[in-house]
Amino acid sequence: QKEVEQNSGPLSVPEGAIASLNCTYSDRGSQSFFWYRQYSGKSPELIMFIYSNGDKEDGRFTAQLNKASQYVSLLIRDSQPSDSATYLCAVKYSGGGADGLTFGKGTHLIIQP
Amino acid sequence: GAVVSQHPSWVICKSGTSVKIECRSLDFQATTMFWYRQFPKQSLMLMATSNEGSKATYEQGVEKDKFLINHASLTLSTLTVTSAHPEDSSFYICSASRTGAYNSPLHFGNGTRLTVT
Repeated sequence: QKEVEQNSGPLSVPEGAIASLNCTYSDRGSQSFFWYRQYSGKSPELIMFIYSNGDKEDGRFTAQLNKASQYVSLLIRDSQPSDSATYLCAVKYSGGGADGLTFGKGTHLIIQP
Repeated sequence: GAVVSQHPSWVICKSGTSVKIECRSLDFQATTMFWYRQFPKQSLMLMATSNEGSKATYEQGVEKDKFLINHASLTLSTLTVTSAHPEDSSFYICSASRTGAYNSPLHFGNGTRLTVT
């Protein structure tokens, strides 16, 4: 069974520090990786996606992918209280077609003012 | 960016009635849309894949006769919860990606919170 694992937290980070969120996945053939942010009672919103090994930066966010270790992470620099949310890691598994995503259970991030 | 509209945002219904939820892609065509369900403090669970012009593909454990999906056009998919019961109360979210773009990210609607009394 294809799985996506995340530490549920809560992960508490002081304002202005770097928040590091981690995710591992089971299928070595996975091709696409996504990070979504979900505020309580709201639907997920896309933060970043990454397909290739290495780092991808977008503003305060950096996604890191290591396919050999089956590991993907999200770094949030200069953390703000508004970053407090649940962060969902999602993986699109190989197999062709427009498959849906498999989500981790999410990491609850708390940015302390 | 891509916009997915979902309606209604919340609904309360009595046990035994049916509820229809609409999902529209506003600025792109979506051959395929996806329906997820999320219970409190749980992650999103894929219920079914909605294919324009053909039958939906349901995930294991999801009753196709209870959760009817219709994808009549490239911009609209509907989910009907038939004979709803309190255990069907949940947050239902649709998503879509651009047709022809395999690695295109999924964009989510705002979700529908269903409460069955």
